[in-house]
Amino acid sequence: GGIITQTPKFLIGQEGQKLTLKCQQNFNHDTMYWYRQDSGKGLRLIYYSITENDLQKGDLSEGYDASREKKSSFSLTVTSAQKNEMAVFLCASSMGHNTEVFFGKGTRLTVV
Amino acid sequence: SQLAEENPWALSVHEGESVTVNCSYKTSITALQWYRQKSGEGPAQLILIRSNEREKRNGRLRATLDTSSQSSSLSITATRCEDTAVYFCADYGGSGNKLIFGTGTLLSVKP
Repeated sequence: GGIITQTPKFLIGQEGQKLTLKCQQNFNHDTMYWYRQDSGKGLRLIYYSITENDLQKGDLSEGYDASREKKSSFSLTVTSAQKNEMAVFLCASSMGHNTEVFFGKGTRLTVV
Repeated sequence: SQLAEENPWALSVHEGESVTVNCSYKTSITALQWYRQKSGEGPAQLILIRSNEREKRNGRLRATLDTSSQSSSLSITATRCEDTAVYFCADYGGSGNKLIFGTGTLLSVKP
């Protein structure tokens, strides 16, 4: 089995601040994802990557940047944190199309 | 964009009862996945049912797929308190690796 590790677990930032969330996976999966989950709601796709150095925009990419410098890691940057961005950010990985997607435990972002 | 919607929005049952969550989707699919998310955790896959399958089972779980009505259901028999979670359907919608989730159904199982 493998694991997806997200750091930090909790992140507090100030409005306007640039913040980076990190994700590592040891499944040797090709595809990695970043989702945002607002309280009591579903998951919305921010960015995904099908291989090292690849980036694909999801439905919620505005205000975010992502980086896939290694196969095992995928980072997400909030370019200018806003108070309405308080949410849990979930990283995930899979072998590819129509395969199981494995999730990390999330990073909870609070903007003050 | 929302690929799929689950209904109802929330359900409450007592332990031992059976329950069904439904999902309707808007585009053609190659496979539909069901996930469960417990409080404080990331989602975990329960069942993947392909477009050429009509039913798939995993222990107390049974998923069905009706491509003509673009709908799927997930049934849980003999529910337990630990089944309390949000249940999502998800699919790639024929768009490669972009996995899109529905809004979820909150299931509460009471003793």
